[in-house]
Amino acid sequence: GAVVSQHPSRVICKSGTSVKIECRSLDFQATTMFWYRQFPKQSLMLMATSNEGSKATYEQGVEKDKFLINHASLTLSTLTVTSAHPEDSSFYICSAVDLSNTDTQYFGPGTRLTVL
Amino acid sequence: KQEVTQIPAALSVPEGENLVLNCSFTDSAIYNLQWFRQDPGKGLTSLLLIQSSQREQTSGRLNASLDKSSGRSTLYIAASQPGDSATYLCAVIGGKLIFGQGTELSVKP
Repeated sequence: GAVVSQHPSRVICKSGTSVKIECRSLDFQATTMFWYRQFPKQSLMLMATSNEGSKATYEQGVEKDKFLINHASLTLSTLTVTSAHPEDSSFYICSAVDLSNTDTQYFGPGTRLTVL
Repeated sequence: KQEVTQIPAALSVPEGENLVLNCSFTDSAIYNLQWFRQDPGKGLTSLLLIQSSQREQTSGRLNASLDKSSGRSTLYIAASQPGDSATYLCAVIGGKLIFGQGTELSVKP
């Protein structure tokens, strides 16, 4: 089956630093990837849609200058949390849409970000 | 604006019981509906995808139904096992995935 990986799986950083999270589709190509965040005991909230070769589309209320998204290839999207603060601590999950089967999103295992 | 609600928020059952998880949505203009499982601290595992033209999908002990007109879906789990303990999320697909808040299931041995 289609596999999506995320790296790192966990990251702890100091307030004010920037953190980059990678999302890779391992055995398929994805022109579209999605980034979600999930607070404890809450559901996933879509942050942005990442499109290969073009700018990401951000959901209302998500700061594009704080959450930088780059989708430079058909298998890789990155989310950079800039000048992270404790309130950015969350579980970040990406998903990817297979070019050959656009009905289904395949989800990564998630990245736990803790900002001290 | 699409809203997805899951009831109950938490459910505890003894092993072997059959159970039903509910998902409702406010806008029936959806493409598909998908059920996921999430273990603590982990990502999502897709369980069943129901296309808008379908009424139900089955996989092993799982059966998911979809009634677009009433804005409802159910996930039926037969003969529950402790390994089924997890949070179950439904998501409606209408361009984007909109998730419900999940049902936390605990199956006691």
